[in-house]
Amino acid sequence: DGGITQSPKYLFRKEGQNVTLSCEQNLNHDAMYWYRQDPGQGLRLIYYSQIVNDFQKGDIAEGYSVSREKKESFPLTVTSAQKNPTAFYLCASSTGGDQPQHFGDGTRLSIL
Amino acid sequence: RKEVEQDPGPFNVPEGATVAFNCTYSNSASQSFFWYRQDCRKEPKLLMSVYSSGNEDGRFTAQLNRASQYISLLIRDSKLSDSATYLCGQGDAGNMLTFGGGTRLMVKP
Repeated sequence: DGGITQSPKYLFRKEGQNVTLSCEQNLNHDAMYWYRQDPGQGLRLIYYSQIVNDFQKGDIAEGYSVSREKKESFPLTVTSAQKNPTAFYLCASSTGGDQPQHFGDGTRLSIL
Repeated sequence: RKEVEQDPGPFNVPEGATVAFNCTYSNSASQSFFWYRQDCRKEPKLLMSVYSSGNEDGRFTAQLNRASQYISLLIRDSKLSDSATYLCGQGDAGNMLTFGGGTRLMVKP
């Protein structure tokens, strides 16, 4: 089935550690996005990529990094510079233009 | 980027009721709007896309009011299973979505 797969579902980070969240899609979508959601809040854009080998910062990029080496994959690294990483991380993709974004089932990140 | 605002609720309604909530936006140039449903601790799922004045899908109707810059979602004959948070998203020319904070709906028996 076509879709967006995020892994792992739950992740724990130790102090000073970098962790990488995986996002893979087989929908042949050009655009991919990473959002952060805190409890009871809306979605905030971290990074986005509209084409392979290109990505742009969103509203809250500090402490995060991404890569887009393949169309299907858009991993997010939460670096040790992100001092408050505990949140629900959502990856999305779309065909671009005015088309809606479709979401993966998310990764919950907590600090140990 | 421009703002999108929603009443966080919760909207508490009895089963069978009709409920409506609004989403106001500030980017008047936007041509696309979306309503997503998000269950507790789950990902948002697309409920409806709106590209013109509105859209209807069964019990759900979205209406766009460009003059007043808001989009509404109307749910008729509410079911217990409609209980969720409803997120409004506004698209821009760069294929970016700006989301509101969501409106929580609780349908009671």
